[in-house]
Amino acid sequence: KQEVTQIPAALSVPEGENLVLNCSFTDSAIYNLQWFRQDPGKGLTSLLLIQSSQREQTSGRLNASLDKSSGRSTLYIAASQPGDSATYLCAVNFMKTAGNKLTFGGGTRVLVKP
Amino acid sequence: DGGITQSPKYLFRKEGQNVTLSCEQNLNHDAMYWYRQDPGQGLRLIYYSQIVNDFQKGDIAEGYSVSREKKESFPLTVTSAQKNPTAFYLCASSAQQGNEQYFGPGTRLTVT
Repeated sequence: KQEVTQIPAALSVPEGENLVLNCSFTDSAIYNLQWFRQDPGKGLTSLLLIQSSQREQTSGRLNASLDKSSGRSTLYIAASQPGDSATYLCAVNFMKTAGNKLTFGGGTRVLVKP
Repeated sequence: DGGITQSPKYLFRKEGQNVTLSCEQNLNHDAMYWYRQDPGQGLRLIYYSQIVNDFQKGDIAEGYSVSREKKESFPLTVTSAQKNPTAFYLCASSAQQGNEQYFGPGTRLTVT
C-alpha cells in the first residue's frame, strides 16, 4: 500500500532559524512529489513540484530534495519568518495509482516565533 | 485572473438533505479532483475526472456523486447516504498526468 508520512506533526522554531521538514513514502515508483502550504481554513498553495527524474527544486528561500531510493523528500526553508507559520503538506503521485491521484501525508504544523 | 473557485465558502445543511458544492476553473486544465479533509486525517480523494464526460471513483466515493459536463466545471453532490458529511472539501485541477495540481480555496460543509 502506498503511504506518505510526515514527522514531526508539529514544529516550533525561533525566527531566523532554518526549517527542515521531512516526508517519507513507501514506494519509490513515483511520477512526482509536491509540497504544499496550507493556512488555517484555507486551500492548499503549491510550493514546489519535483519530478521523478529530479533530485531537487528551488524557489526563493525554499529548497526541496528528493531521494527516491530511500523514499524521502526534505523541504528546507531558509531564514524562517513568522509569515512562514502554516501547515506544510507533502503529496506523492505514485505510479501504481491511477488518474494522477495524490497521496497526502498528515502534514507538519509549523510555528515561527518572533 | 486564472485559478480555481469554489462556492460557497461555508455551507450548512440539515441531515438528510442533498447538497451540491461548486468548483470552476479557468486554467484550461483537463483533469479535476475532489478531496475531503478531516482533522488529523489529511486529504482523501473522493472523485476525479481526466476528461469531459468521464469521471472515476477515488478512495472514499460512497455517498457522493459528480458530473463533468463542461471542461471548466466539476460539481460535487453530497447525498444523504454519506454518513459523516461534515468536513472541509477541496477541489483541484491539473493539466495532465504528472503535472502540478492546483487547489481551490475550499468549502466547509457542516451538517447537523
